[in-house]
Amino acid sequence: EAQVTQNPRYLITVTGKKLTVTCSQNMNHEYMSWYRQDPGLGLRQIYYSMNVEVTDKGDVPEGYKVSRKEKRNFPLILESPSPNQTSLYFCASSPGKGLEQYFGPGTRLTVT
Amino acid sequence: ELKVEQNPLFLSMQEGKNYTIYCNYSTTSDRLYWYRQDPGKSLESLFVLLSNGAVKQEGRLMASLDTKARLSTLHITAAVHDLSATYFCAPRSARQLTFGSGTQLTVLP
Repeated sequence: EAQVTQNPRYLITVTGKKLTVTCSQNMNHEYMSWYRQDPGLGLRQIYYSMNVEVTDKGDVPEGYKVSRKEKRNFPLILESPSPNQTSLYFCASSPGKGLEQYFGPGTRLTVT
Repeated sequence: ELKVEQNPLFLSMQEGKNYTIYCNYSTTSDRLYWYRQDPGKSLESLFVLLSNGAVKQEGRLMASLDTKARLSTLHITAAVHDLSATYFCAPRSARQLTFGSGTQLTVLP
């Protein structure tokens, strides 16, 4: 089954404790992206990747890092999480930039 | 920078009624997507509109695109409870999708 998976689905952590949210897709898509969803703000793009070893900032990249060492994986790293990063995070993939995106199930992160 | 405005943000409607959700965007766009998000779930693609005047229909939902007016509409016909969800439009500009804030639709019996 073609899908985008994320782990963990739920995470509660404390300020400053480094964490990684994994994202994997099995559709051989070149383009992958991370979004955060906050009430009233819709989806805002954090980072995206056009292909292996090619990443770029989205609209709200501060406080986040990404890497793309393999085509299928695109982890999101929060080196020192803060409470304002409490949000619902979605990973998405698509065959190319600007094409239909396929979303993962979401990761609900709470930083206390 | 492409800005997207959806109206209304919240919509409660009775079963059987018709209504329209509007998506306005600020700069030239060459295609537009509509997505649906059920409560606590991920986003699923509903429609992609590729050209001026494009119309797509699926069941009780019909989407249209007017690129000159920079406007897309999502029309709901004879609403049923199963349509309760949040709907997002996402126009594309410079090969980048920008999502609207979403319209939270609640269909009441």
